[in-house]
Amino acid sequence: AAGVIQSPRHLIKEKRETATLKCYPIPRHDTVYWYQQGPGQDPQFLISFYEKMQSDKGSIPDRFSAQQFSDYHSELNMSSLELGDSALYFCASSNRDREYGYTFGSGTRLTVV
Amino acid sequence: AQSVAQPEDQVNVAEGNPLTVKCTYSVSGNPYLFWYVQYPNRGLQFLLKYITGDNLVKGSYGFEAEFNKSQTSFHLKKPSALVSDSALYFCAVRDIQGGSYIPTFGRGTSLIVHP
Repeated sequence: AAGVIQSPRHLIKEKRETATLKCYPIPRHDTVYWYQQGPGQDPQFLISFYEKMQSDKGSIPDRFSAQQFSDYHSELNMSSLELGDSALYFCASSNRDREYGYTFGSGTRLTVV
Repeated sequence: AQSVAQPEDQVNVAEGNPLTVKCTYSVSGNPYLFWYVQYPNRGLQFLLKYITGDNLVKGSYGFEAEFNKSQTSFHLKKPSALVSDSALYFCAVRDIQGGSYIPTFGRGTSLIVHP
């Protein structure tokens, strides 16, 4: 079965650079969620999209933005990167009306040096 | 508001023994409850969920969890632990009446199964 695809798997950036993370949800899933997991931390919710519209907003810094495109894939754009942005970034998708489980991608490990 | 607590940072168990990873939750309405497992440098893998119905939920890899409304708990259990079960386990909750579709995760419990 198709899963949630995230790219890239690993990313190394320097401070003040920008990064773009991509997420391809499971087909027919209408909702995408972004989470940030710092070292030894639980996943923290950043932002979500339902039917290509921003749905909920969590602890997403102003330096970050995200959008969901017509094909339902989503991109998380991160600017003016800081050392503290180094983390594992997860994308998850779900079908809001038909099931209440969330399928996570394998994550993108971002290292800011 | 919704929250979830995993009171143990680490659980140690010998292979072949039963294991329990604890989770308690707080919601204003009724909960949807989930367990996920995370292996090092990997994503969160879905184990099981409670939506409604039987309080005992069976999931992947022989895991099960029991929903206890009076104790607001959803402990993860397995009758016989394997060394390969060693991983980080996250409990998550979503309040059905909370108006949000965002699950809140616990801090995670590291399960270590000794040979």
